[in-house]
Amino acid sequence: NAGVTQTPKFRVLKTGQSMTLLCAQDMNHEYMYWYRQDPGMGLRLIHYSVGEGTTAKGEVPDGYNVSRLKKQNFLLGLESAAPSQTSVYFCASTIGENQPQHFGDGTRLSIL
Amino acid sequence: GQNIDQPTEMTATEGAIVQINCTYQTSGFNGLFWYQQHAGEAPTFLSYNVLDGLEEKGRFSSFLSRSKGYSYLLLKELQMKDSASYLCAVLDSNYQLIWGAGTKLIIKP
Repeated sequence: NAGVTQTPKFRVLKTGQSMTLLCAQDMNHEYMYWYRQDPGMGLRLIHYSVGEGTTAKGEVPDGYNVSRLKKQNFLLGLESAAPSQTSVYFCASTIGENQPQHFGDGTRLSIL
Repeated sequence: GQNIDQPTEMTATEGAIVQINCTYQTSGFNGLFWYQQHAGEAPTFLSYNVLDGLEEKGRFSSFLSRSKGYSYLLLKELQMKDSASYLCAVLDSNYQLIWGAGTKLIIKP
């Protein structure tokens, strides 16, 4: 049982480049989330989805887009990367809003 | 605004007991979670409190007082593998998790 899988694990981008982070879960969870984690700060919610075909903005959505075309996958896109987006990105999923979230191993993204 | 406060860092001795506090001010309350995060790894779920009182799970216990906006995580019989960051998170009125910055726990032999 893989749980939540994130790809890639590491990436270095140049300012202005674009990329997509993939999150896949095999637990049939309805709810999926993208967070960023920066030193000295709590996890911050970027976007989330409450089911296939739905997405919603979180606390820090600017500069990011998401899609949930299939229930098991949640994609996070950076259209034009900026140094301020250097961070560790975590995907999480849960079966219900008041249930524990299960996290992927994270993507370490550096933007030069 | 919404705010979660935890100590930045704590140090404890192997075999001892440590209490990590968390205070919160959020728009609404639908429960409080504690997660453990080892360096370079993903957060993993430890406990969930929605009613006042103590929840015990092996060496770990979590306490909640909703009237005081306060929780603590109690770790007993500390082991070296308990060295990690401990994250407090509150589920607000919109069922969004508001996260504290985490408490880095250092265990010394």
